[in-house]
Amino acid sequence: GDSVTQMEGPVTLSEEAFLTINCTYTATGYPSLFWYVQYPGEGLQLLLKATKADDKGSNKGFEATYRKETTSFHLEKGSVQVSDSAVYFCASNYNQGGKLIFGQGTELSVKP
Amino acid sequence: DAGVIQSPRHEVTEMGQEVTLRCKPISGHNSLFWYRQTMMRGLELLIYFNNNVPIDDSGMPEDRFSAKMPNASFSTLKIQPSEPRDSAVYFCASSLVAGNQPQHFGDGTRLSIL
Repeated sequence: GDSVTQMEGPVTLSEEAFLTINCTYTATGYPSLFWYVQYPGEGLQLLLKATKADDKGSNKGFEATYRKETTSFHLEKGSVQVSDSAVYFCASNYNQGGKLIFGQGTELSVKP
Repeated sequence: DAGVIQSPRHEVTEMGQEVTLRCKPISGHNSLFWYRQTMMRGLELLIYFNNNVPIDDSGMPEDRFSAKMPNASFSTLKIQPSEPRDSAVYFCASSLVAGNQPQHFGDGTRLSIL
């Protein structure tokens, strides 16, 4: 069945470091792909999305490119800040019906 | 615009009591999702509705859990009787049914069963 796999956390970085969080998916067909972020005590917020192969989603300095050939959607940011500390979830939609398949989440901690 | 509204934000109750969680989706959204989040199991989809009709309730853990969506602007998740292992954060999310539309999450209900 469809699934999403993220790199395990926690990930700890120093401020201004480069961030990569890996995400791969398996799906029948061509899903839309999403990254969500969850700050402590809050719900999940959409960070960015991509709806077809080679699309690049971007927001708040974060980017991810939909790679069909490697079935990946890795999240990157060139220079992280302490305020980026949160849990990040990769997700794909399922059969175009609105249901999302989530990865297990990756906790990011950025130290000053 | 108002986002997804959940109530209560926090609920503490004793084992065996009935618990009702409430959700108001974003106006115009026609899909609604209930999730449970715990440290041990992560984020789990419990049930979702399209146009007020339950589509997939395979994630509902037991018969003690039930969910309803009587109209497009309101849904409830009920646990009766509650048990300590039901303690978790419960999220409601809504979206448009079209495949590339994101889900919008509420702030969650933190439930503690003593």
